This record gives sequence, structure tokens and C-alpha cells, in this order.
Amino acid sequence: NAGVTQTPKFQVLKTGQSMTLQCAQDMNHEYMSWYRQDPGMGLRLIHYSVGAGITDQGEVPNGYNVSRSTTEDFPLRLLSAAPSQTSVYFCASSHRKRGTYEQYFGPGTRLTVT
Amino acid sequence: QKEVEQDPGPLSVPEGAIVSLNCTYSNSAFQYFMWYRQYSRKGPELLMYTYSSGNKEDGRFTAQVDKSSKYISLFIRDSQPSDSATYLCAMSVSDNNDMRFGAGTRLTVKP
Repeated sequence: NAGVTQTPKFQVLKTGQSMTLQCAQDMNHEYMSWYRQDPGMGLRLIHYSVGAGITDQGEVPNGYNVSRSTTEDFPLRLLSAAPSQTSVYFCASSHRKRGTYEQYFGPGTRLTVT
Repeated sequence: QKEVEQDPGPLSVPEGAIVSLNCTYSNSAFQYFMWYRQYSRKGPELLMYTYSSGNKEDGRFTAQVDKSSKYISLFIRDSQPSDSATYLCAMSVSDNNDMRFGAGTRLTVKP
């Protein structure tokens, strides 16, 4: 099992450009999430999905879109990049275990917007 | 005020020391409490999970939750250099994915 994979590992964008961060998991987990991690802020939930075809907003959804057409893939789209979106982005998939959701995180994508 | 507060450290201890990591929170509806460990330039990995108040032990790690004080702790006994990482607390109201994370405490265990 590869677990959760993310591409690219690094990306530099100019303000106003759009791009898609890719996330895939091979564990057949129903739940997938996108977080951003900024210094002093911890991880903040952007969007999440409870299954194919179902997505919902998290804590900081503005400026991002998601879709979930398959169980395996959960791409995150930046519509018009802004410097405030410079961050490290983590995708996670999870399943129910011991009464809660055990999350598995990908290695992250480091995004810089200039 | 952030929903979850965590002392960012850094915290530096000698090998073998007992480490105490703490978080406070403001939302009394939180019921599920987790600790994640994150090595440099890696994604977080789940260490401990606790539901409601009480203690939970797993090897050298003990998680404590005091809901009356809105305070959670992670204790590491006999700390090792391999424990050097950033430790994140996380909590949620219900057993879904909508978690709130602390900012993380960076720990260094010196040989």
C-alpha cells in the first residue's frame, strides 16, 4: 500500500494563477480531508468528504474548491492564487477505528504564491 | 481567542526525562481528543486517542483529559532522541472529521 500520496511536493505560483493539488489513497477509506498548516496556526481544515460525490466545507474553505468523483481521489483546486495561500497543504484519509476516525496524512505539498 | 491553545515551545529535555505536553481549549462540547506526532517535513501521525475524560496509556505514552478544566496532557516517559518531533493536539465535538488542532509543540530530546 502506498497510503496517501500527494503531488506535487513543491509548487511556486504567481498571484492569480490557478492549479490543482492532487491527492490519492489506496486504503479504500471513505473519508478524506484537506488541511493547511501555517506557522503558529496548526492544521486548519479546508474541505472534507465523507464519500464519493459528497463534500463539505471546513474551517477555512474560501478560495478553494474540491470534488470527489471516486473513493481514491480528492483533488484541491486553487481558483486564483493569493499570497495568503502560501502554506503547506496536507491531504488525509480516514476510517472509523475504536470509536473515532483514525487519520492517515500524506507527505504534504509546499506551496508558495508570489 | 483560538479554540485550542498549545504552548509552541520549543521544549528541550535530556534523554530519559519525563515530558509533559499540554493543550487547553474553550469549546466545552469537545468530546474526542487526539495527539499527533509530526517529524520534520512529514505529515502528522496519530499517537493517542481519548474519548471524554480520563487517562489512557500506551507504552511510554499517557494521555490525560480533564474536561472540567478544559485541559489535556500527553506524558512521555523515558524520552528518547527518536521522540524529537512536533506534537499536535486535536479535538472534535463529534466522531467525524471536523477536528480542531493546536499549533503544535516542538520537542527535542538530547542524547
